[in-house]
Order: sequence, then structure tokens, then C-alpha cells
Amino acid sequence: AQSVTQLGSHVSVSEGALVLLRCNYSSSVPPYLFWYVQYPNQGLQLLLKYTSAATLVKGINGFEAEFKKSETSFHLTKPSAHMSDAAEYFCAVWGGADGLTFGKGTHLIIQP
Amino acid sequence: GAGVSQSPSNKVTEKGKDVELRCDPISGHTALYWYRQSLGQGLEFLIYFQGNSAPDKSGLPSDRFSAERTGGSVSTLTIQRTQQEDSAVYLCASSLLSGRAGEQFFGPGTRLTVL
Repeated sequence: AQSVTQLGSHVSVSEGALVLLRCNYSSSVPPYLFWYVQYPNQGLQLLLKYTSAATLVKGINGFEAEFKKSETSFHLTKPSAHMSDAAEYFCAVWGGADGLTFGKGTHLIIQP
Repeated sequence: GAGVSQSPSNKVTEKGKDVELRCDPISGHTALYWYRQSLGQGLEFLIYFQGNSAPDKSGLPSDRFSAERTGGSVSTLTIQRTQQEDSAVYLCASSLLSGRAGEQFFGPGTRLTVL
């Protein structure tokens, strides 16, 4: 079975600072990994996905993530935080017929 | 183009009543998924439809939950004899391709409150 663990239910950074949201996965097969963002009272929006093509994946809104098999990690980063980045972020792994398996989510707070 | 739509956006019901939640996937998307988002459990997968094939119902939390998809398009999630623990946001997603290659597009969700 596949699973993901997101370290830190809340992360606070200053505007303009580096954003780092951590995700570790467990998978018995080569994983397909995703990061989704959820703004208040909205559905989930795909930020980026890893599908085994390239280990460094670039997504929307300046986010990127690096797949590291040796560390079973897929951390999300953005060089410079913007106020509009405040949201809930979910890491997910494809679980076959079980759809996506999501982490618990990380609430990103941007301090002015 | 139009995204995934869900109705109603909010539903308040009394314990013991039945509710129906509707999902309209993006036109042409063959795969449809239901998830539940609650404070205690986070995001949970409930059920997956691929075209007109019979779904695997093992992810549904109890036999009070059922889902159907008519004509390979619109889906309805029905909860019978609702309980307070059913209170959550129910999210629907669709994808053009099935399997892990298919990006899932999510609807805005239905917020269910059981009093």
C-alpha cells in the first residue's frame, strides 16, 4: 500500500522567504506523486506531478519539487513566498484502484 | 471550459435523514472519483468509476453509503440514515485518463453538516 507523510501541519514563513513543505512517501512500486493546493472554500488544484520522467518537477505559481528516491521524499519549494501562497498544501501518491492517497496537509502561513 | 461541478454546495440535514450529492464531471472525462475531507480523517478516497464499469465499493466507509454513475457521466453519492460523523466536505474529481497518468480535476465540494 502507498502512503505519504507531511511533516508539519503548519508552516509559517515571511513574505519573500523560501518556502519548503516536506513530504515523504512509502510505496511498493515506483510512485506517481502529486502536490495539490487548496485555497479557502475551494477545491483542490494541481500544482505539479512526478511521473518518473524528470526528478525535478516544475509546477504552477513558481513551485517546484524534487523526487529523491534515496530519501523517499518529494519536498515542495518556492524561492520567494508571496502573500497569495497562503493556503493548504497536500502531497499525494497514486494508489491504483484506491485513487489518490493524501497526506494530512500543511497549512502555509505567510507573514508580512 | 467548464470544470467539475458539484451540488449542492452546502447541505444541512438532520441525523437519520438520507442525502444525495451530485457531481458533474468535465465533459469527456471517463474516470470519476469521490473523496471525503474531514477534520479528523483528512482526505479519504471513497470510490472510483471508470466509464460504465462497476466500481470497487470497498473504500466506502459503511453500507449506508452508495454511489452510482449514470451514462458514464453524472454521479450521485447517497448517504442513508446520516450520522453526525458523516459531516464533512465531499469532493468529486474527474480525469480524462484512468490510472496514475490521469490528472484529477477537483470540484469545489459539498459541505455536509449533520445535526
